[in-house]
Order: sequence, then C-alpha cells, then structure tokens
Amino acid sequence: EPEVTQTPSHQVTQMGQEVILRCVPISNHLYFYWYRQILGQKVEFLVSFYNNEISEKSEIFDDQFSVERPDGSNFTLKIRSTKLEDSAMYFCASNSLAGVADTQYFGPGTRLTVL
Amino acid sequence: AQSVTQLGSHVSVSEGALVLLRCNYSSSVPPYLFWYVQYPNQGLQLLLKYTSAATLVKGINGFEAEFKKSETSFHLTKPSAHMSDAAEYFCAVSETGGFKTIFGAGTRLFVKA
Repeated sequence: EPEVTQTPSHQVTQMGQEVILRCVPISNHLYFYWYRQILGQKVEFLVSFYNNEISEKSEIFDDQFSVERPDGSNFTLKIRSTKLEDSAMYFCASNSLAGVADTQYFGPGTRLTVL
Repeated sequence: AQSVTQLGSHVSVSEGALVLLRCNYSSSVPPYLFWYVQYPNQGLQLLLKYTSAATLVKGINGFEAEFKKSETSFHLTKPSAHMSDAAEYFCAVSETGGFKTIFGAGTRLFVKA
C-alpha cells in the first residue's frame, strides 16, 4: 500500500540553524500539507500546498518557514533559523483531491529537537 | 473560528467494554469532522470522517461516530474494546472545502486486560 514517507525520523539541531525536513507524498497525490505536534500538545496545521503554491497557512507559518516541491517527488519544509520552541514532531500529509474531504494520508513524522 | 474539545485526556476501559471518546466542535459553517488514531511513534491514521452524508459514520477497526448537530458533538464509540485499541485518538474539524484541519488535544485510551 502506498504511504507517505518522511526523513529524517529525528533531527537534532542548534538554535539558529536552518533545517530542512523532507517528505515524499504518495505518488499520484496533488495536495500536500505540513502539521506539527509539540510534545504533549495538539496537532497543529501549518500549511497546505498545491500546484507549487501555498493554498492556506496558519499564523504559526511565519517568515521563518517555507515549503517547496523541488522535484516531482519531494515536498520540503524549511525552517530558516530554528528556535527552541520549534522543537516538535512534524507531520507531512497528502491527498489526491482538493481539500480535506478527501482522506489525508499522514507520514510517520520527523521529530525535531532544537538545542 | 473552528475549534474542537475532547473531553478527557485519558480514558481507561477493560477489554471487551464499551469505548466512548467524547468530542464537541464549534464551527460557523457546516463542518467536516474526523477521528484519527495515533499509535506510538507512528503518524496519524484516519479512523472515520463525516462529510455531510449519513450522520452515523462507520470507520475502520469497528469504530463508529455519530454527528449530532443539535449537540455539536461527534463522539467515537466501539462496542467492545480490544487491547490493540490502546492509542491516542484525535478528533478534528475542518470547513467544507477547506484545506486546514483543526485538531483536538487528543484522548489517550488505555485498555486493561
């Protein structure tokens, strides 16, 4: 069964460093998402992406964050200058039809630890 | 603005007992509602979703949920708990046609032998 994959599974970085989290969505999907979950807290929407554009973003997704689909398979989340509060589990998701009515498939997540 | 409230951060049931996880939502527009399950060190898996069709929604692993507009609720039930149901469960809401999903804080389900 096709699945969303994410790399790395765990990333440790120093405060102020740039990180790139990588996701490979399911191959025929067209809509891509990033969510994060701070330890012990709820899952929070960050951004949705379609046709090489951001379709919606939350207030969390400020200028420090960016997303890109650099090729036909990867979908990346970049944090330019990490802060301690960026430590969280980051989930990528994808679906084939517009909007959340179509089932979103989530990856296993990347745990980001900022020291 | 949309929001989700899950009543009870932890729920403990005996194996074979009824599972009831409570979720109330707030939405100014007709919502889509979801239940997700998260097993340790794994991503989120969709259990079931309500998208304005039948109010009683059946999902995977024997779970079902009923959309009650008058109560703004979408509680998750399973008649008989199994040890493998032990996990974190998230209720979520989204606007019709929207891209953003708002998650509740989650309820951890413990199943006792």
